[in-house]
Amino acid sequence: DQQVKQNSPSLSVQEGRISILNCDYTNSMFDYFLWYKKYPAEGPTFLISISSIKDKNEDGRFTVFLNKSAKHLSLHIVPSQPGDSAVYFCAASHPYNQGGKLIFGQGTELSVKP
Amino acid sequence: DVKVTQSSRYLVKRTGEKVFLECVQDMDHENMFWYRQDPGLGLRLIYFSYDVKMKEKGDIPEGYSVSREKKERFSLILESASTNQTSMYLCASSTTLGTQGDGTGWYEQYFGPGTRLTVT
Repeated sequence: DQQVKQNSPSLSVQEGRISILNCDYTNSMFDYFLWYKKYPAEGPTFLISISSIKDKNEDGRFTVFLNKSAKHLSLHIVPSQPGDSAVYFCAASHPYNQGGKLIFGQGTELSVKP
Repeated sequence: DVKVTQSSRYLVKRTGEKVFLECVQDMDHENMFWYRQDPGLGLRLIYFSYDVKMKEKGDIPEGYSVSREKKERFSLILESASTNQTSMYLCASSTTLGTQGDGTGWYEQYFGPGTRLTVT
C-alpha cells in the first residue's frame, strides 16, 4: 500500500521555465511533508518542507504547496536551471510515527535542458 | 553541519557472503535508518532505530539484520547476500526532539552518500 505516490517518473523542462513536481498521499494523519533532491551516486539532500497547518512555503526558487483536502502537494521550481536536474522525492510523516519515520514516494527524475 | 558517513561507496560481494555496512553520524541523533533505493521503487525502509540497542523493522526487513551498540553507529548486516540485494544502500539519521515554532515536529533526515552494493 503506497501511502505517498509520485505518479510521474520523469519530467523534462526547458531552462528558465517552471518545473512542477507532484505528490499525492492517502493518509490524512500526515502532518509534515518534505522534499528531497538526489543526484546520482550521492545521498538525498533536504530541500524544503511544509507542515500541515500551512498551505505554502517558499525558499528562494523553490515553493511547496499543500492542498490538504485533495491530499496533494507540489514543488515548484522557478526558474529551472540545469543544475536542478536530479531525482526528487517527496516524503511524509505523522505525529504517531515512532522514531521520526518518513514515508517516501517513488521519486520523479527532473531533467532541465539548456 | 550534520555529517553521516558510510563505510564504503562501492562494494562487490559474492552470493552467500556475509556483508556489513557501517554508518556513523556525528550529530548525537537518536534516530537512524537504513534504506535501499531501486529504480522506480523509491526509498524503501529496511530497518530503523530510535535508541541504542533498539531496532524496528521497516517495510522490507527480510534478509537483513541491524545492530546499534553505540548511539552514533548503525550497522546493516546481510546474513547471506543474494543477487536481489544488489542495490544502493542509504543510511540516514534524525532527531525528533524539540519542535518547530508552529508546534509540529521536525523530522528532517540527513543522509549519507550511499553504498552501491553489487552481489554476483
